[in-house]
Amino acid sequence: DTEVTQTPKHLVMGMTNKKSLKCEQHMGHRAMYWYKQKAKKPPELMFVYSYEKLSINESVPSRFSPECPNSSLLNLHLHALQPEDSALYLCASSHKREGGDYNEQFFGPGTRLTVL
Amino acid sequence: DAKTTQPTSMDCAEGRAANLPCNHSTISGNEYVYWYRQIHSQGPQYIIHGLKNNETNEMASLIITEDRKSSTLILPHATLRDTAVYYCIVRYNQGGKLIFGQGTELSVKP
Repeated sequence: DTEVTQTPKHLVMGMTNKKSLKCEQHMGHRAMYWYKQKAKKPPELMFVYSYEKLSINESVPSRFSPECPNSSLLNLHLHALQPEDSALYLCASSHKREGGDYNEQFFGPGTRLTVL
Repeated sequence: DAKTTQPTSMDCAEGRAANLPCNHSTISGNEYVYWYRQIHSQGPQYIIHGLKNNETNEMASLIITEDRKSSTLILPHATLRDTAVYYCIVRYNQGGKLIFGQGTELSVKP
């Protein structure tokens, strides 16, 4: 299995809602990532997990809360979002040896989020 | 991570080689050059990467100049399915960051 899957494909939520995005991979990768991509812009890194521990947070607002419950799963919990948070949210994973290099990243298809 | 400069857009005729340039004049000795592409409405796709030597895989070839200040991605026989935004990225493999620039929008035309 060489895929990164993301659910849901599309999500529409109000500013007072709480929702979660889910990402899954079964390639044995121990590094997982969340990116945000606005229309006609490049992806922007949000979070990096290494061996289920948060290793990089790119100063993301606390209304985005990541969680890595095990080595195959990555969640992004959303609460009190703003309309400007509407974007494509991409998950990626990569092989990483403990204490070693990060390899190339494999991306999922993304979740298209609309905040009303 | 070092910054990269790429042309905003390029055209290529179907069946011809597509040569996509990238300047990374501030690259440091242990930074790799990575190429990804993103077809419309899909997640980015890894293509190839290299440190000093030229590299080739089933998708493309990567030519890195001797001073490492620039590189070229070559798609040997472009097809319509190669129409995408191509991103050249330089990064430390020890760090988790992948910082995307604006990329080159490649249009392959029949």
